[in-house]
Order: sequence, then C-alpha cells, then structure tokens
Amino acid sequence: NAGVTQTPKFRVLKTGQSMTLLCAQDMNHEYMYWYRQDPGMGLRLIHYSVGEGTTAKGEVPDGYNVSRLKKQNFLLGLESAAPSQTSVYFCASSYPRGNQPQHFGDGTRLSIL
Amino acid sequence: GQQLNQSPQSMFIQEGEDVSMNCTSSSIFNTWLWYKQDPGEGPVLLIALYKAGELTSNGRLTAQFGITRKDSFLNISASIPSDVGIYFCAGQYRDDKIIFGKGTRLHILP
Repeated sequence: NAGVTQTPKFRVLKTGQSMTLLCAQDMNHEYMYWYRQDPGMGLRLIHYSVGEGTTAKGEVPDGYNVSRLKKQNFLLGLESAAPSQTSVYFCASSYPRGNQPQHFGDGTRLSIL
Repeated sequence: GQQLNQSPQSMFIQEGEDVSMNCTSSSIFNTWLWYKQDPGEGPVLLIALYKAGELTSNGRLTAQFGITRKDSFLNISASIPSDVGIYFCAGQYRDDKIIFGKGTRLHILP
C-alpha cells in the first residue's frame, strides 16, 4: 500500500548542478502536484498536472521544470540549482473531482551548497 | 490571489488541555481540509469539509466549515503527546486549485 513515493529522500547539490526528483503514485490519481516547504512559509505550489502529458505553473515555478509522461509519475527538475532552492519538496496526488483531498509523499530534503 | 490566515502560529499547552486553531480568508472556498504533519513526514489528511456549516469529528478532533465559506476551525480535545506536530488548513476553490495556511505548530509541555 505505497500511496505516493518520492525519491530520493535526501540530496545535497552544489550550486549550478542539475537533478530530477521523482514522484510515483499507485492510486490512479489524475492530478499531481509539487510543493516546497520552507520554515514559516507553509506549503507553496511549484507546478501541477491535471493529467498525463499536461503541466501548469503554480505559485513559485521559477527555476523548476516538470514532466508528466506517465500518469503515475510526476518529475520535478532543477536545471541549475541555487541555494534559494534549499527546501523540503513534497509531491501530492488526488482524484480530479473538486472534493477529493490530496495525498502526500514523505518529502525530499534538498540542500544546495 | 487567495490567501489563508492561519492562527495561532504556535501553541504551547499542557497535556489534557483542549486546543483550538482557525483559518480565515477573504475568499470563498468549496472545500476545507485539515492536515497534520509529523517531523520528517508528509502532511496527512485529518478532516475534510465539503459544505458550509458542516461540523465533522474524527475521534478527539472536530472541525467546522464556516457559514460564510471563508473560514474554518479545528478543535482537539484532551490533548495527548502524539498530538504534537504542525497542523495545516487548506482551502480548495477549484478542482485543481488548493492553497495552504502557514501552519500551527503544537507543542505539549510535560
């Protein structure tokens, strides 16, 4: 009963390096989301997807790209990591109906040196 | 854009006390959600509210969807040590649009 799985759980990068965070869900959810969580800021939406092959910008999309090639996977990419992107990243998924709550993964803790 | 004001930011209480926290907004929402986050984990859904005025309980937790659809509160009765964590409210205003409050950090004093 995996739910939403994020990999990796921890990562340290140097400024300018690139990396991809993977989110996988086994609940057949249409919608998937990437958030970042910073102290005192709550959860802020980076990008989201309402279905395979679709993506849309959230509240804080700059410096990130996403892809949804398969329904069960949602990838978050950092092209050139910056210290300001040090954060905990959470993936979530949900059914498309408006009253279906989001289910979260356990997060990826990313540090940019 | 939509914003949620969640208060208080943090609470220090004695075990056994009741807890109350709320979220307010100038915007109308279709659904209110309350999540809890334990250290090192993702938020977990506690209660979902779908109708204005709705009052829903989950064990010692009770939440209400405000009549104006612009606010919600969460109460925890007879707090226990495992209640420690961060509580988030979230308002959903479209099928694909949800915003989160900044969280209430609950501390329980020994």
